[in-house]
Amino acid sequence: DGGITQSPKYLFRKEGQNVTLSCEQNLNHDAMYWYRQDPGQGLRLIYYSQIVNDFQKGDIAEGYSVSREKKESFPLTVTSAQKNPTAFYLCASSQTGYNSPLHFGNGTRLTVT
Amino acid sequence: GNSVTQMEGPVTLSEEAFLTINCTYTATGYPSLFWYVQYPGEGLQLLLKATKADDKGSNKGFEATYRKETTSFHLEKGSVQVSDSAVYFCALSPQLNSGGYQKVTFGTGTKLQVIP
Repeated sequence: DGGITQSPKYLFRKEGQNVTLSCEQNLNHDAMYWYRQDPGQGLRLIYYSQIVNDFQKGDIAEGYSVSREKKESFPLTVTSAQKNPTAFYLCASSQTGYNSPLHFGNGTRLTVT
Repeated sequence: GNSVTQMEGPVTLSEEAFLTINCTYTATGYPSLFWYVQYPGEGLQLLLKATKADDKGSNKGFEATYRKETTSFHLEKGSVQVSDSAVYFCALSPQLNSGGYQKVTFGTGTKLQVIP
């Protein structure tokens, strides 16, 4: 079955360390996204990518970085510059076109202490 | 800019009760509208969608009608089950986007708890 795989499900890090969250999709989608979810705030867009080797900042990109070297993969690095990194991170992908729904992974819960 | 407003939760219902979760939006043109559902510890899943005015999306007993005149997309289900307990998100994707990117705007989510 096609889908999006995020790993790990839970991640713990010390403050000041960078950490990379994995996202892989086998849906053959061109577009991929990273969202952050905090209680009571809905989803906020961190970064998105429409094609390989290209990505754009979303609404809350500060303290994050991404790469898109392969169509299937869109890893997110949470850097030490991110002031409040503890959150639930969701990766998504979609076909092109505004009618196409987003397909989500099961998320990674990052806790930084 | 675009926005989506959902009723605040949590919503607590008894099994077999009627469900309505209100959603209104602000956007130019004719956006596509979506309802997503999130079960505990998981990502979001598409529940239903509607792409033009007066369209009705439906899935698993849930329905929502795209009302352009009231800019609303309320979610309804005639008889809820315990297994429907989850967080429900209303979302819109504007008609005009640059390239293949979807600038999706989400509501803050409404938690539904169904008790036996």
